[in-house]
Amino acid sequence: AQKVTQAQTEISVVEKEDVTLDCVYETRDTTYYLFWYKQPPSGELVFLIRRNSFDEQNEISGRYSWNFQKSTSSFNFTITASQVVDSAVYFCALTSGSGNTGKLIFGQGTTLQVKP
Amino acid sequence: DVKVTQSSRYLVKRTGEKVFLECVQDMDHENMFWYRQDPGLGLRLIYFSYDVKMKEKGDIPEGYSVSREKKERFSLILESASTNQTSMYLCASSLQWDTQYFGPGTRLTVL
Repeated sequence: AQKVTQAQTEISVVEKEDVTLDCVYETRDTTYYLFWYKQPPSGELVFLIRRNSFDEQNEISGRYSWNFQKSTSSFNFTITASQVVDSAVYFCALTSGSGNTGKLIFGQGTTLQVKP
Repeated sequence: DVKVTQSSRYLVKRTGEKVFLECVQDMDHENMFWYRQDPGLGLRLIYFSYDVKMKEKGDIPEGYSVSREKKERFSLILESASTNQTSMYLCASSLQWDTQYFGPGTRLTVL
């Protein structure tokens, strides 16, 4: 069975703090993809990053960074020097390669509130 | 630039009405998806389509049907809307099992 767990339901930080959103996944497939999406109050899911299971390199994009560790089945997301505009719901998701057609398994989401 | 559009941002319907939610993508993607999002339940897949005229049930297809007559358009149909179908509906598209790109969503209220 495939599953994505985001144990943090809500996180509240003050602007300029660093914050890490946790994501733990389960899959028996050796080929899979992991994603992070951001959902601001407007409602649209915005794609942030995709990683494949063969690439464990960490990635940094501006204030965002992602730490992928197969040994712990985790794909954590860190926002450095958070800003009010980072306030949103963040979803981690998984799709695997067993001849599937791209179905995503989503975590329950983490609501991040950044206070000024 | 990727573009997925949905016919309405907000929609109010009455119980028993037939409701059509339209989704259009301009990226020539094979796959298209319909999700609903409810507080505490996350995103749940209703139906998806991996080619024109092809469709597969997702996790919660009951009460819904879909239509994909053209590659760029994927319609979600509520044959007889009920109050428990009040929700946020999100459409997405992707190339095979590549990244899914989402539309802005439709907030449907059934009275």
